[in-house]
Amino acid sequence: DAKTTQPPSMDCAEGRAANLPCNHSTISGNEYVYWYRQIHSQGPQYIIHGLKNNETNEMASLIITEDRKSSTLILPHATLRDTAVYYCIVTLSGSARQLTFGSGTQLTVLP
Amino acid sequence: AAGVIQSPRHLIKEKRETATLKCYPIPRHDTVYWYQQGPGQDPQFLISFYEKMQSDKGSIPDRFSAQQFSDYHSELNMSSLELGDSALYFCASGTTAFMNTEAFFGQGTRLTVV
Repeated sequence: DAKTTQPPSMDCAEGRAANLPCNHSTISGNEYVYWYRQIHSQGPQYIIHGLKNNETNEMASLIITEDRKSSTLILPHATLRDTAVYYCIVTLSGSARQLTFGSGTQLTVLP
Repeated sequence: AAGVIQSPRHLIKEKRETATLKCYPIPRHDTVYWYQQGPGQDPQFLISFYEKMQSDKGSIPDRFSAQQFSDYHSELNMSSLELGDSALYFCASGTTAFMNTEAFFGQGTRLTVV
């Protein structure tokens, strides 16, 4: 699986958009970008994933650059409950592969 | 919707004792993963099972073993417990039935070794 790089921490004002970047310059053509988050001591929670097209669901949007070497997770209207560690993970799909959690980004949503 | 269920939620054991953690995956999920998260650390993959067979192995100590049963639930057995085994243990389940699927995590078992 390709290595990912994320900033260790970010702050965001409540109600504003939170944009979390991730670099994955060694991603291969068949690897997907997955985002998970972990709210303090709870089980990690799946957010979104994508291959090369931008994706949106009820939780977030995922923007992947055309060269696929980086991506941005967007929480459109951050709330205090979005304070968590966000993990960007690059992995193959379609197989029972384990997730390799890196250091992630600690997002703190401020009131 | 049914989620991944782990039991117990909390467990306190003494050094050199044994512990068994249980995981009940989401119905019709064929894959189970176990992760260990020490204090202040990120989750680390231990072991996984697909259709009751071990599929991948990570940094699981030899003192630990795991299996997946015919009803797809899984158990993580930990022997000769050490203080350093104190951690959150997460189980996740998934399915290989579709090309792009996510893993669903349980709420974890907090093991404290004293």
